[in-house]
Amino acid sequence: NAGVMQNPRHLVRRRGQEARLRCSPMKGHSHVYWYRQLPEEGLKFMVYLQKENIIDESGMPKERFSAEFPKEGPSILRIQQVVRGDSAAYFCASSPDGQGEAFFGQGTRLTVV
Amino acid sequence: DQQVKQNSPSLSVQEGRISILNCDYTNSMFDYFLWYKKYPAEGPTFLISISSIKDKNEDGRFTVFLNKSAKHLSLHIVPSQPGDSAVYFCAASVGTSGTYKYIFGTGTRLKVLA
Repeated sequence: NAGVMQNPRHLVRRRGQEARLRCSPMKGHSHVYWYRQLPEEGLKFMVYLQKENIIDESGMPKERFSAEFPKEGPSILRIQQVVRGDSAAYFCASSPDGQGEAFFGQGTRLTVV
Repeated sequence: DQQVKQNSPSLSVQEGRISILNCDYTNSMFDYFLWYKKYPAEGPTFLISISSIKDKNEDGRFTVFLNKSAKHLSLHIVPSQPGDSAVYFCAASVGTSGTYKYIFGTGTRLKVLA
């Protein structure tokens, strides 16, 4: 049973470009969470999705950021018109039923130049 | 508003001694608490958890204590080993049935000295 898979592991974008981060949850998991970690900081909750639904997006900036978790395929975190302040590690986690522990992927390190 | 706080950014402990990592929270609705360990350039890995109906949970060298009245939990590692050197995050879950999200603290960097 493969773990949570995130790709790419590293992503470099120029200011103004779009960044797409993908997350495939563990098999059988229908709950996905996205977190952002800025350098020397903790994990900040961004968004919580269940298949085809956004449960909680209270931690996601209102502009430029969006997330989806379609019926088929991975969850996508999309950042439009990236700025230098978006440079961070983005982690995805999944859980089978929204309770108990969540399992994390290795993260995507986004660098905006 | 930081609902889960880890006030010690770093901690150094001698190998073989006890490591105690602390975490405070403000939201009395939190009902499940977790500890994660994170190595550089890797994702957090789950370590141990505790439900709010308990005050202690033990797994090998790791024990988590929960004091609900003080809104405080702690992770004890004994004996500490050099491989335990990592950043430790506490987390609390909140939500309605079947839709819990996890709020994390800022982490404590543990260094176990050989």
